[in-house]
Amino acid sequence: GAGVSQSPSNKVTEKGKDVELRCDPISGHTALYWYRQSLGQGLEFLIYFQGNSAPDKSGLPSDRFSAERTGGSVSTLTIQRTQQEDSAVYLCASSLATGGTGELFFGEGSRLTVL
Amino acid sequence: SQQGEEDPQALSIQEGENATMNCSYKTSINNLQWYRQNSGRGLVHLILIRSNEREKHSGRLRVTLDTSKKSSSLLITASRAADTASYFCATLSNDYKLSFGAGTTVTVRA
Repeated sequence: GAGVSQSPSNKVTEKGKDVELRCDPISGHTALYWYRQSLGQGLEFLIYFQGNSAPDKSGLPSDRFSAERTGGSVSTLTIQRTQQEDSAVYLCASSLATGGTGELFFGEGSRLTVL
Repeated sequence: SQQGEEDPQALSIQEGENATMNCSYKTSINNLQWYRQNSGRGLVHLILIRSNEREKHSGRLRVTLDTSKKSSSLLITASRAADTASYFCATLSNDYKLSFGAGTTVTVRA
């Protein structure tokens, strides 16, 4: 498709389990962001990939969170040993960064519920 | 940490009225963008204003930017029920990192 695709759209898991969330950015977009949004709150920056540069991981809340971006395209956000406070919508966005305006195109998000 | 702070947190207006929300930020920016979010899912880009611009229009949207005060405002004129959503400002730093504020929830009453 032409837009940013995220999967799964909804995930319910038990506390302590690991989860993987996937993001397919728009083809050709070099920048990819992950944000987290808790109910009724703003967007919390998690991680930012830009081309072949080292990712900006400054927003990851703990070492249980990690993300990778393979081949400069698809990205996976992994949460290990999930906790109830990890419950949120995880949003992925991509953009044409360098030389572009930085306008982000968002996926519909993955809603994670940790029981 | 949040770069932008929106004000007010929530706004309720009658259809046909104008809605104004403000955004303040802390560090120098490349541009400032406004996004809209319906139902807590994906955000949609509305309008962008560059750091050397002061005002921009797009349809019923008007954005201003005052870099000396590190603030921006978004005006929605002649609001409609369909404008009910959350609105977020986002600032693009010179290293192309986009940081969002906490958002303003707008309710337009029919």
